[in-house]
Amino acid sequence: SYVLTQPPSVSVAPGQTARITCGGNNIGSRNVHWYQHKAGQAPVLVVHDDIARPSGIPERLSGSNSGNTATLTISRVEAGDEADYYCQVWDSSSVPFFGGGTKLTV
Amino acid sequence: EVQLVQSGAEVKKPGESLKISCQGSGYTFTSYWIGWVRQMPGKGLEWMGMIYPGDSDIRYSPSFQGQVTMSADKSISTAYLQWTSLRASDSAMYYCVFRASGRYFFDYWGQGTLVTVSS
Repeated sequence: SYVLTQPPSVSVAPGQTARITCGGNNIGSRNVHWYQHKAGQAPVLVVHDDIARPSGIPERLSGSNSGNTATLTISRVEAGDEADYYCQVWDSSSVPFFGGGTKLTV
Repeated sequence: EVQLVQSGAEVKKPGESLKISCQGSGYTFTSYWIGWVRQMPGKGLEWMGMIYPGDSDIRYSPSFQGQVTMSADKSISTAYLQWTSLRASDSAMYYCVFRASGRYFFDYWGQGTLVTVSS
């Protein structure tokens, strides 16, 4: 199995920049995907393949991935960004793995 | 547009059986994988496995192999997740997810089915 490590929580003031990390052994060699999960709703894909944004996702959300850390960056944070964020990779054994999730508090 | 619509919340007793569903629309149901993800109360997302309705190829996560059964009915574009004997620890939200060919992420999710197992 492949272990993905996320900080349990990140807190940021409105208008500031939030950075949510996802650590894994040589994760830079894998494609990392990010989901936003708001309370009472289904998760939403916000970044896929490290840096790509699905249609409808604002440019304020961006991803990067290098070495042992992938990062989801949310610029100009708004109250509506408050959610749990999960990273995900696909293991070599064809099994997807999710990180433990990070609660973003605004 | 791809849509996944799941069956409603369930309240069951330990030892009972259960089958929840996920109906796909807006795409060719038999040509894409449908996966299942569990979220236990206060916990993160866990991959359970996936089924390819075209030929019923099923890939279970090792953690869930033997604990649940996945199936699909092509005639009504519906995938199922089934338990034969529920435990309290099966209480969770269950999401079905759509996986496009060649993609290793899930761009469509069902709304979730809450399963509560309590005596």
